[in-house]
Amino acid sequence: QSVLTQPPSVSGTPGQRVTISCSGGSSNIGTNTVNWYQQLPGTAPKLLISSNDQRPSGVPDRFSGSSSGTSASLAISGLQSEDEADYYCAAWDDSLNGYVFGTGTKVTVL
Amino acid sequence: EVQLLESGGGLVQPGGSLRLSCAASGFTFSNYAMNWVRQAPGKGLEWVSTISSSAASTYYADSVKGRFSISRDNSKKTVSLQMNSLRADDTAVYYCAKRGQRGTLTTFTLDYWGQGTLVTVSS
Repeated sequence: QSVLTQPPSVSGTPGQRVTISCSGGSSNIGTNTVNWYQQLPGTAPKLLISSNDQRPSGVPDRFSGSSSGTSASLAISGLQSEDEADYYCAAWDDSLNGYVFGTGTKVTVL
Repeated sequence: EVQLLESGGGLVQPGGSLRLSCAASGFTFSNYAMNWVRQAPGKGLEWVSTISSSAASTYYADSVKGRFSISRDNSKKTVSLQMNSLRADDTAVYYCAKRGQRGTLTTFTLDYWGQGTLVTVSS
């Protein structure tokens, strides 16, 4: 089982703002930076947010990330239909000496 | 343009072996750590293994330690995953992914991913 916990699902209407939480511990989020990945249906994951709050080139500024203590969050403002996907948080874990992913959150646009 | 192309997936019996390969292009391969991540059908992402840029360091998930072995050939720009003693719960799509930046593990990121190759372990 994953050491990073996310809500299984979140939903919103077009234009709304939704947030996804990611809860970890002192050996992962509490020490190392958090990344977020977006996986559209039937495709490979894509890096969405790196180093807690950095958007790679090409990622819309509707996506934002933050981290505090042993938790992190991803916000999607101005929700669009193309944002329907699975989202995963991830961070290096110093105790496990490996990279850990969150349980994943499915975003549904109503 | 960064490209990662996995190959070697297929159907294998429990207890069998399989070798996955990933061919990289579009970046200086020898400068970056490489990784394997898997996703069982209908499930979430699971990190499998990482190899440093020089191959001096390797890391494995507990679920595969002692059974899987990661390696790389910087001259051929390829990274491989040798999988032995395969079990039904190893069935998954296996993705090759490039580490996003050099430096400490504090800022570990996977910035490019291949399309994946399916491994099915079944009798």
